[in-house]
Amino acid sequence: DAGVTQSPTHLIKTRGQHVTLRCSPISGHKSVSWYQQVLGQGPQFIFQYYEKEERGRGNFPDRFSARQFPNYSSELNVNALLLGDSALYLCASSLSAGGNHNEQFFGPGTRLTVL
Amino acid sequence: AQSVTQPDIHITVSEGASLELRCNYSYGATPYLFWYVQSPGQGLQLLLKYFSGDTLVQGIKGFEAEFKRSQSSFNLRKPSVHWSDAAEYFCAVPSGSARQLTFGSGTQLTVLP
Repeated sequence: DAGVTQSPTHLIKTRGQHVTLRCSPISGHKSVSWYQQVLGQGPQFIFQYYEKEERGRGNFPDRFSARQFPNYSSELNVNALLLGDSALYLCASSLSAGGNHNEQFFGPGTRLTVL
Repeated sequence: AQSVTQPDIHITVSEGASLELRCNYSYGATPYLFWYVQSPGQGLQLLLKYFSGDTLVQGIKGFEAEFKRSQSSFNLRKPSVHWSDAAEYFCAVPSGSARQLTFGSGTQLTVLP
């Protein structure tokens, strides 16, 4: 079975532009979470979606938004890009949302560079 | 809020030597704890997890971790390191209403031949 897939692999944008990152969860998983990993740091939680509804939001500005589609895939959108948005964006899928036992499976990430 | 701290930014060991990576947690009750590994250019792979019960947890790739409540620690160990273990290692704990993962800052492992 395929794991979590993300596209694109790499992306270069300039300040002020917007970007859309995509994620397809493992088949049968209904929850998708997004994390931002700045170089040299651990991943930071951005959003969690379950059954197309937002279940959690991290401490990120409103320039960041996301949605989940009926097939459980997800998009992360970032508007008005800043240099500081340069990071590896990780998507994780899980069977359900919440719960301490809910194992999250991570994709390879999208490397975003903002110039 | 639950959090984890990884005191060591970078550790270097020789191939075949033993390894211990430190993780300290901040939480009153028994926490749920995870160790992930990230190879260069890759996503995160779960090595092992602790929920309750036996304090010594076995994981993949020959790794194990021991939960010590008295020290608020969940250190990752491996008896004999292989060159392929060179990677970054993250300790994590679920927190928040969505039980999202809160990660430590990571420990970069270098393995010398």
